Amino acid sequence: QKEVEQDPGPLSVPEGAIVSLNCTYSNSAFQYFMWYRQYSRKGPELLMYTYSSGNKEDGRFTAQVDKSSKYISLFIRDSQPSDSATYLCAMSAKLTGGGNKLTFGTGTQLKVEL
Amino acid sequence: GAVVSQHPSRVICKSGTSVKIECRSLDFQATTMFWYRQFPKQSLMLMATSNEGSKATYEQGVEKDKFLINHASLTLSTLTVTSAHPEDSSFYICSAGLAGRMDTQYFGPGTRLTVL
Repeated sequence: QKEVEQDPGPLSVPEGAIVSLNCTYSNSAFQYFMWYRQYSRKGPELLMYTYSSGNKEDGRFTAQVDKSSKYISLFIRDSQPSDSATYLCAMSAKLTGGGNKLTFGTGTQLKVEL
Repeated sequence: GAVVSQHPSRVICKSGTSVKIECRSLDFQATTMFWYRQFPKQSLMLMATSNEGSKATYEQGVEKDKFLINHASLTLSTLTVTSAHPEDSSFYICSAGLAGRMDTQYFGPGTRLTVL
């Protein structure tokens, strides 16, 4: 079993829809949770970063963490064609002085259609 | 802020040659840099963790003699693929952690390596 599970999609939605992307994880040591967006042939771009359980909102994006269920989500409101990309969840364990290793999900490919 | 660059963005080389990829943190100091490879439609696979001034820590299954990593300064890490073979063709991405805030990473744009 992978430490982080993420449905690879592809997920196709109409413009303006609310998108829900999810990851589950098995390692209870994970404390830091991130969502990255990756366009084709580009490096991942950090979208959201959360530490504790609960919701965090940034514009059209809301990240949700439920540590008791080991489940994280990213919601995109009013989705746009420019949101079409692969969304990767990532997480890491206890903070260390030298930097944390990230464990990534496989990524969900999202396509927002006109 | 938190911009990471990579050079070159794309490289094509002959089998048996060595290729060096540079990763720079442009506006911050990166005590730790990470090197990943990514195959098409797959997630990022961590190859090694590079700490400034010390030897890199390689993940299991990654050949340290084949993938040489140097992190000589707080803003520069290099990955050298030695004696490259077609199976080394991949998308190589580096990332850097902010000094004093090591809970997340910022990624470079990636380098696409094609070995003929």
